[in-house]
Amino acid sequence: GENVGLHLPTLSVQEGDNSIINCAYSNSASDYFIWYKQESGKGPQFIIDIRSNMDKRQGQRVTVLLNKTVKHLSLQIAATQPGDSAVYFCAERGGNLIFGKGTKLSVKP
Amino acid sequence: EADIYQTPRYLVIGTGKKITLECSQTMGHDKMYWYQQDPGMELHLIHYSYGVNSTEKGDLSSESTVSRIRTEHFPLTLESARPSHTSQYLCASSEWESEETQYFGPGTRLLVL
Repeated sequence: GENVGLHLPTLSVQEGDNSIINCAYSNSASDYFIWYKQESGKGPQFIIDIRSNMDKRQGQRVTVLLNKTVKHLSLQIAATQPGDSAVYFCAERGGNLIFGKGTKLSVKP
Repeated sequence: EADIYQTPRYLVIGTGKKITLECSQTMGHDKMYWYQQDPGMELHLIHYSYGVNSTEKGDLSSESTVSRIRTEHFPLTLESARPSHTSQYLCASSEWESEETQYFGPGTRLLVL
């Protein structure tokens, strides 16, 4: 069945380093993917999205890469800051949005 | 900052009680959603609505019910709360034209004793 999941449940990085958060999906018909950030005690917040006809999309300090061959999605955060500490979810659309389990990013000062 | 609100933020209640979780948005969005999320886990869609008088069940079966009498409000009701209902409930909304970009409320943390 459809499955969206993250390879690592937790990720710890040093402040200033780059972070890479990965996501695997199984529905090859999904045409749209989103990354959300969820801080403690808050609802998820949209970060960046990408459509299936693209391989890469850049935002401010964030880049999403889509590899449809291996059904892999990644979120790269440049110069990670303490404010980036949160749980990150990927979601795919194959109908309604389907969310993955999330990766907790911790930034060490 | 999204203009979507949920009340209460925290609720501790006994088994068998009827509860209603409120969700309201001031963005005029047609589509609204309810998700259930256990701590650190993924979000599961339990209800959604295309607009007034529209309600649909989501991917995860839920004993809760919803109503959409007004565009701004999408309350979720549990007629008889049980400990298995303990979870976080997140409400979201989106524009019809860009339904993938969902704006989330802060959530309601429910504990049923």
